[in-house]
Amino acid sequence: NAGVTQTPKFRVLKTGQSMTLLCAQDMNHEYMYWYRQDPGMGLRLIHYSVGEGTTAKGEVPDGYNVSRLKKQNFLLGLESAAPSQTSVYFCASSYELATNEKLFFGSGTQLSVL
Amino acid sequence: GQQLNQSPQSMFIQEGEDVSMNCTSSSIFNTWLWYKQDPGEGPVLLIALYKAGELTSNGRLTAQFGITRKDSFLNISASIPSDVGIYFCAGQTPGSARQLTFGSGTQLTVLP
Repeated sequence: NAGVTQTPKFRVLKTGQSMTLLCAQDMNHEYMYWYRQDPGMGLRLIHYSVGEGTTAKGEVPDGYNVSRLKKQNFLLGLESAAPSQTSVYFCASSYELATNEKLFFGSGTQLSVL
Repeated sequence: GQQLNQSPQSMFIQEGEDVSMNCTSSSIFNTWLWYKQDPGEGPVLLIALYKAGELTSNGRLTAQFGITRKDSFLNISASIPSDVGIYFCAGQTPGSARQLTFGSGTQLTVLP
């Protein structure tokens, strides 16, 4: 089982460049999320989606856009990368969104913005 | 946003020792989760807690949901080298079903 797959695993950008991170899940999960992880900090939610065609802002959405055109895919875009966006990005998905959150995470994308 | 304090930030222990880490919150949580992250991987759920006072085990791991609903702890007994990694707590407050608040993590190193 592939689970949650993120591509690419590593990327280096120059300030001002754009890029898209791809997340794909094969578990038929309704809910998908993008988090960023910075040293000494917990994961912070960027954007999330509660179903195909829907997106919503999380805790730190500025500078990012997302799209959920297909249920299995959740894209994270950086239109004009900034050094502050250097981070490790994790995609996650879950089946239920009730009183418990059981998230399945991808293996992460290490992004460096120079 | 919610404040979640996780301690300690890092631990160096000898193989075979027991480990304890905890998280405290400024707000009441209705769910506490504990994750482990191996190097180069995403976090993996270890234990989920849903009721105040609940004590749950998963092998050598035991976690408890504090009575006040503002804290939780994770114990690892008889540590082994593969326990190395970062352990995160995460909590969910009532009414915020779509978002978890994560602690900053405890980096565990097990020395042979």
